[in-house]
Amino acid sequence: RKEVEQDPGPFNVPEGATVAFNCTYSNSASQSFFWYRQDCRKEPKLLMSVYSSGNEDGRFTAQLNRASQYISLLIRDSKLSDSATYLCAEYGGATNKLIFGTGTLLAVQP
Amino acid sequence: GAVVSQHPSRVICKSGTSVKIECRSLDFQATTMFWYRQFPKQSLMLMATSNEGSKATYEQGVEKDKFLINHASLTLSTLTVTSAHPEDSSFYICSASGAGETTGELFFGEGSRLTVL
Repeated sequence: RKEVEQDPGPFNVPEGATVAFNCTYSNSASQSFFWYRQDCRKEPKLLMSVYSSGNEDGRFTAQLNRASQYISLLIRDSKLSDSATYLCAEYGGATNKLIFGTGTLLAVQP
Repeated sequence: GAVVSQHPSRVICKSGTSVKIECRSLDFQATTMFWYRQFPKQSLMLMATSNEGSKATYEQGVEKDKFLINHASLTLSTLTVTSAHPEDSSFYICSASGAGETTGELFFGEGSRLTVL
């Protein structure tokens, strides 16, 4: 089983829609989680950090469910500019490594 | 925020040659740097972790003699792809964390796209 798993998509949604991505992880000792956004042929950029139950920043909400070992990212009122690949990542303190999921491709349509 | 710079951003080389990629932390001391590789439509795969002044720790399946990592100072780590072959063509990305960093928040370089002919 992969350490971090995501649905690769693509998710094709119209502008203004609400879209949610899930990401499951296998390491129950993971301390923190992150959502990154990666545009085509660019480096990943940090979107949100999740250390406890969740985090909200404008149209973006991330939630952590430790019991079920998954994190989610909710994007409200999707914009064309939200089109990108969204990578979740988990950090296990003891291993000092940031492990990424495969990424979920989002395409927001006009 | 902290800045990590990678160079070169793009390199094309002939099969059999070696290519060096530099990763610099511009405004903080990076005690640990991580090197990732990303093939098209795949995720970032951790190749190795380098700590300043010590040998790098490689992930399973990554050949340490092929991917030489040097982290000689707190602001510079280098990855050298030796005797490159077309299958080494990939997007190589470094990231760095500062001293005492325990949350996992990393700062990424812009990435280096390697094409081996």
